[in-house]
Amino acid sequence: GESVGLHLPTLSVQEGDNSIINCAYSNSASDYFIWYKQESGKGPQFIIDIRSNMDKRQGQRVTVLLNKTVKHLSLQIAATQPGDSAVYFCAESHSGGGADGLTFGKGTHLIIQP
Amino acid sequence: DVKVTQSSRYLVKRTGEKVFLECVQDMDHENMFWYRQDPGLGLRLIYFSYDVKMKEKGDIPEGYSVSREKKERFSLILESASTNQTSMYLCASSPGYGYTFGSGTRLTVV
Repeated sequence: GESVGLHLPTLSVQEGDNSIINCAYSNSASDYFIWYKQESGKGPQFIIDIRSNMDKRQGQRVTVLLNKTVKHLSLQIAATQPGDSAVYFCAESHSGGGADGLTFGKGTHLIIQP
Repeated sequence: DVKVTQSSRYLVKRTGEKVFLECVQDMDHENMFWYRQDPGLGLRLIYFSYDVKMKEKGDIPEGYSVSREKKERFSLILESASTNQTSMYLCASSPGYGYTFGSGTRLTVV
């Protein structure tokens, strides 16, 4: 079946630097992608999503980039803050919005160093 | 504000017990989901539901069942709990795009 993966289980960055978290997916039929943030003891929290007809989408301090040619997704966080420390998951769907369920990557733990 | 509420944050149950995990959403969403989250394995889909009284198997339905008698409530049932069902269970709901997750129930089966 399809799989969604992340390149690094842990990413350590300096406070104030930009963070880039990467994700690779294998299902070329995937048409919807989401990034989630999960803080310790909490459920995943929606950050930003992107549909396959786009290659970039921006939110507040976050940007998602989609490269369908190489099946790669990235999340960029500008000016990383201590509150950004969490596990970040990418997720994908081939059912238009996840109505049949999302497939999640295994997560990258973002650590912020002072 | 959108809300998905899971009735218990922590549960400890004995092997062989029947366990009910409850989830309620207040957003009138059609779609609801149950995932389990384990270290190194990420989130895996157990069951989901498109509408009241409808259910679909996810990737790992064995040992579980679900009930959706009302639109806002989606229950996960462990018919006979086993130690390999010790996990974090996450409920989510969706109007079609994007999910809202609950805070999770950490279940320990002893």
